[in-house]
Amino acid sequence: LAKTTQPISMDSYEGQEVNITCSHNNIATNDYITWYQQFPSQGPRFIIQGYKTKVTNEVASLFIPADRKSSTLSLPRVSLSDTAVYYCLVGDIGGYNKLIFGAGTRLAVHP
Amino acid sequence: DVKVTQSSRYLVKRTGEKVFLECVQDMDHENMFWYRQDPGLGLRLIYFSYDVKMKEKGDIPEGYSVSREKKERFSLILESASTNQTSMYLCASGNREGTEAFFGQGTRLTVV
Repeated sequence: LAKTTQPISMDSYEGQEVNITCSHNNIATNDYITWYQQFPSQGPRFIIQGYKTKVTNEVASLFIPADRKSSTLSLPRVSLSDTAVYYCLVGDIGGYNKLIFGAGTRLAVHP
Repeated sequence: DVKVTQSSRYLVKRTGEKVFLECVQDMDHENMFWYRQDPGLGLRLIYFSYDVKMKEKGDIPEGYSVSREKKERFSLILESASTNQTSMYLCASGNREGTEAFFGQGTRLTVV
């Protein structure tokens, strides 16, 4: 399983765009990149998943460069309720996927 | 609405007791997971099951066992609870393709 590296913490202000980058140098050909969000005292929640280029949904965008050795989760116009821990996971979508979580990035959004 | 339900939100057990944590999903998912989460250590995978009666050890299986007799139910067993097993336990389920996993609300277990 490819190891991921993310910043431990980030700070932002309401209304700003937040970009969280994840490094995964050893990503395999069959691996997809998935991001989860976790609020205190709750289980993680799926945000977005992608393989290459750009994926967008109603919550976030995911940018993946051509070499796929990193990815960036972009949260547009964050609010206080986006304060959470964000996890980047890399795994093979075709086989069984063990869902190994790293340390995550603790995002604090300030008024 | 998709659901992963854990049997207890809070649990207090004594050292040496046998503890069962139950998890049920209603999405017909093949994969089910048990994690524990401790401050500063993130989510650590204890056990993973990819089918009925099939299981694989995660990163920290010591002191735990699991049972999956039916597709919708995945149980975590602490054979002899110890104080270092005090933690938040999270169950999750996902389809075989791994497109998305759903988590339960968690069980905060305290072993005294």
